[in-house]
Amino acid sequence: EPEVTQTPSHQVTQMGQEVILRCVPISNHLYFYWYRQILGQKVEFLVSFYNNEISEKSEIFDDQFSVERPDGSNFTLKIRSTKLEDSAMYFCASTRLAGRTGELFFGEGSRLTVL
Amino acid sequence: KQEVTQIPAALSVPEGENLVLNCSFTDSAIYNLQWFRQDPGKGLTSLLLIQSSQREQTSGRLNASLDKSSGRSTLYIAASQPGDSATYLCAVRMESGGSYIPTFGRGTSLIVHP
Repeated sequence: EPEVTQTPSHQVTQMGQEVILRCVPISNHLYFYWYRQILGQKVEFLVSFYNNEISEKSEIFDDQFSVERPDGSNFTLKIRSTKLEDSAMYFCASTRLAGRTGELFFGEGSRLTVL
Repeated sequence: KQEVTQIPAALSVPEGENLVLNCSFTDSAIYNLQWFRQDPGKGLTSLLLIQSSQREQTSGRLNASLDKSSGRSTLYIAASQPGDSATYLCAVRMESGGSYIPTFGRGTSLIVHP
């Protein structure tokens, strides 16, 4: 069964360093998302991406975040200068159908620890 | 702004019990609602998706109902098993405002003990 894959599963970094989290969405999906979940808290939306551009972003997704779909299969989240409060589980999700009808499929997540 | 609440926050039951998990939302103008399961330290696994025009969806021992007008959905788990232990999340997509982004509840943490 097709699935969303994410790498790395866990990354430890020093505060101020740049990190790139990678996702391979399901191949025929059109909409891509990044969410995060701080330990013990709810799943929070970061950004959605469609047709090679950001379609929506939350207040959390400030200038230190960026997303890219460099090669038609990978979807990346870059955090330019990590802060302690960026420590969280980051989830990539995708959906096939445009708009609201599609079922969201999530990856297993990338755990980011900022020291 | 849509608010999604899940009650109870935690539940511990003996194996074999039938369970009802609740999800309520403040704005009833939703497009669909999706239930997920999350195991500790893992991703979200989609369980059921209910479109706003539907009243329920079933998959195996799971049944999800939707009462859009009252802003509620329930996830019914029949004959619970220890393997059902996980956190169950609901996510709601709005109908208006051009946003396709689901809003999540905090989840119900379920433990089924043998």
